[in-house]
Amino acid sequence: RKEVEQDPGPFNVPEGATVAFNCTYSNSASQSFFWYRQDCRKEPKLLMSVYSSGNEDGRFTAQLNRASQYISLLIRDSKLSDSATYLCVVNQDSNYQLIWGAGTKLIIKP
Amino acid sequence: DAGVIQSPRHEVTEMGQEVTLRCKPISGHDYLFWYRQTMMRGLELLIYFNNNVPIDDSGMPEDRFSAKMPNASFSTLKIQPSEPRDSAVYFCASSFARRFGEQYFGPGTRLTVT
Repeated sequence: RKEVEQDPGPFNVPEGATVAFNCTYSNSASQSFFWYRQDCRKEPKLLMSVYSSGNEDGRFTAQLNRASQYISLLIRDSKLSDSATYLCVVNQDSNYQLIWGAGTKLIIKP
Repeated sequence: DAGVIQSPRHEVTEMGQEVTLRCKPISGHDYLFWYRQTMMRGLELLIYFNNNVPIDDSGMPEDRFSAKMPNASFSTLKIQPSEPRDSAVYFCASSFARRFGEQYFGPGTRLTVT
């Protein structure tokens, strides 16, 4: 089993819809979690950090489920500009090691 | 506020040549990371530094790769000799120690080895 797993997609979603995707992790000792977005041929950019149970920033909500060892990202009222690859990152703080998921590709269609 | 700066943005070289990639992290950041990204392997951590000291270089593929950080504002990643399989996008990123997972990436160097 991979340490961090994501559905590669693509998720094809109409503009204005709500979309959610999950990221599962294998190490129960993981302490902090991050979502990055990466546009085509660009660098990854930090979208959200999760240090406790969840985080919300405008249309974006991240929820952590420690019992089931997954973190989700919910995007409401999706925009064309939300089209990107979303990378899940898990930090095992005890040894300063980041584990990167392979990413979920999201395509928002007009 | 300047972000992470990388140079060159594009590099095309022939197999066997030496390649040097450069990075200037965000001022005040304690950590600097070098990553490589390909379609096949995704994003891979090569090496990272804390206060200019290499901490973990287990991701460096082989002895042809070396990285240095002579001061807090400059780092290099060198490949000598380069091979076609080294073709990838190389990213540099930096972060504060207390926010290790919140990394700021440079625009990357797209390397093509022919």
